[in-house]
Amino acid sequence: AQTVTQSQPEMSVQEAETVTLSCTYDTSESNYYLFWYKQPPSRQMILVIRQEAYKQQNATENRFSVNFQKAAKSFSLKISDSQLGDTAMYFCAFLMDSNYQLIWGAGTKLIIKP
Amino acid sequence: DAGVIQSPRHEVTEMGQEVTLRCKPISGHDYLFWYRQTMMRGLELLIYFNNNVPIDDSGMPEDRFSAKMPNASFSTLKIQPSEPRDSAVYFCASSPGQGMVETQYFGPGTRLLVL
Repeated sequence: AQTVTQSQPEMSVQEAETVTLSCTYDTSESNYYLFWYKQPPSRQMILVIRQEAYKQQNATENRFSVNFQKAAKSFSLKISDSQLGDTAMYFCAFLMDSNYQLIWGAGTKLIIKP
Repeated sequence: DAGVIQSPRHEVTEMGQEVTLRCKPISGHDYLFWYRQTMMRGLELLIYFNNNVPIDDSGMPEDRFSAKMPNASFSTLKIQPSEPRDSAVYFCASSPGQGMVETQYFGPGTRLLVL
């Protein structure tokens, strides 16, 4: 069975700093997708970034980038120049190519301090 | 695009009452998902549809829960009768049928409180 592990329950950094959130997963599949979703206090689930397992290039979206290490089954999220609006729960999620059931990590609560 | 629309945003009801949650997916998306989020169990997939047809409802907790998708732009999740343990945030999400089929876009959620 596929599992997703986020080992950092909570993190706190100063505004403008860079922060990295960790995510590891376990699967025997070769084709899959990985996602980071953000859930601010409003509870909305917002897609931050996605990565296809067959792509070696790490995905980037503005201040957000990932470090995808397929052999190590690691998918970390880096937030550069952090902003107060980045304060949220961040969930790592895994999806097999063969179905549509997202497997979720437990989440990391990120607090950006002014 | 307006994104996934859910209503109501908040619902407070008494145990035993019927609750209906509504969802309008993003136009052109072929897949629709219903999730439930609680502190204890995290995010759980309840059911998903492809082209208005239920594909997997194995996550529906019990017969009190039912979901329908009468057309491509509307879905409902009904709980009857509701119980306090149904209190949660219910999310609807949709996904394109081609290209980025695997990416799910979430609505704002419905906060349900059953007293």
